[in-house]
Formats: sequence, C-alpha cells, structure tokens
Amino acid sequence: DGGITQSPKYLFRKEGQNVTLSCEQNLNHDAMYWYRQDPGQGLRLIYYSQIVNDFQKGDIAEGYSVSREKKESFPLTVTSAQKNPTAFYLCASSRRGDGELFFGEGSRLTVL
Amino acid sequence: GEDVEQSLFLSVREGDSSVINCTYTDSSSTYLYWYKQEPGAGLQLLTYIFSNMDMKQDQRLTVLLNKKDKHLSLRIADTQTGDSAIYFCAERSAGNTPLVFGKGTRLSVIA
Repeated sequence: DGGITQSPKYLFRKEGQNVTLSCEQNLNHDAMYWYRQDPGQGLRLIYYSQIVNDFQKGDIAEGYSVSREKKESFPLTVTSAQKNPTAFYLCASSRRGDGELFFGEGSRLTVL
Repeated sequence: GEDVEQSLFLSVREGDSSVINCTYTDSSSTYLYWYKQEPGAGLQLLTYIFSNMDMKQDQRLTVLLNKKDKHLSLRIADTQTGDSAIYFCAERSAGNTPLVFGKGTRLSVIA
C-alpha cells in the first residue's frame, strides 16, 4: 500500500544528544514537510522540501536540520541546540507544493 | 503572516449535530481543508472546499464557506462516539506555499 512511514514511533533521548527521525514515502510525491505538535499549539512547520536537494525553513526551524537526497526520504535531525525538543513530530507529503497533505502516523520524542 | 483561528473544545451528545468553526485572515486563500486527528495518530483529510464555493456536502459532513467574513465551518450530522477527535482547519494561499493550520478543536462526544 502507498503511504508515509515514520520511525521510530517512540523515542527517548538524553539531553545533549542529537536524534534523527525517519520519514519515507512511496507515493511519488514531490513535496515533503515536517511539523511539530504540542498540546494546545496545533501544528507548526519546521522544514519543507518541494524538490530533491532543496528545502526551506518553516516557522520554527531553529535547532533542527533536514536533508532531501532522495525523493522518497526526508529525515529530520533534532539537534542538542533545540531547547525544548519533547513533542510529537509529524511528517507529511503532497504531490506538488500546493496539493493536499498526506500524513504519517507521527513520532513521539521525549527528552529525559 | 496568515493566521487560522479555531475554538479549542466542543462537547456534544451522541446523535446531535456538531458544528466546528474556523476563521482565517488570508484573503488570497485558494483551498480550505478539514483534517481529523485521532489520539496518537497522524492527520487524515476529511474534506476540502475551493474558495469559489459556498458549500460542499459529503455524507454526514457539510462544509460552509463565507468568503466575505473569512469564516469556514464543518457540520457533522448525527455525531457518533467515533467522531471524537481533534479537528484541524487549514488554508492554502495562492502560490506554492505550505498549508497554515489552526490549533485544532477537540470534539468530545457524550454517549
């Protein structure tokens, strides 16, 4: 089945460690996105990419990094510079930059 | 920048209709979307409406758009306990820009 796969679903890390969240899609979509969700805050855009080897910062990019070396993959690294990284992270894709979004099931990161 | 506002909570009795409201600021919005999120899961697209439409109906769902007031609503008829979830309104501006989401409305259905 076509879809978006995020892994891991749950992740724990110690303060000061970097961690990478995986996002893979087999929908042949051009655009991919990372959102962060906190209770009562809705979805906030971290980074997005509309084409391979190109990406743009969203509203809260500080402390995060991404790469887009392959069309189907858009990993997100949460660096030690991110002051409050505990959150639910959602990856999404769309056929083109202005199409509807399809979401993965999310990754919950907890910093101990 | 663009902003999308929703009330945070709504509680209804099973069998009643639910109406979730949303306001947005961007007058160049092209599409407006409603997504549903169940606990611990990603978002699923429920329905969308193009900005030149006033209404769209899809089974138990009715979307109303008042473009003059920049007001969007989602009506769920005969609300069931399985409709309990967070509902997000989102808008897309003209051009190649990402969706802007509201903070979500948590719908609780009382049996």
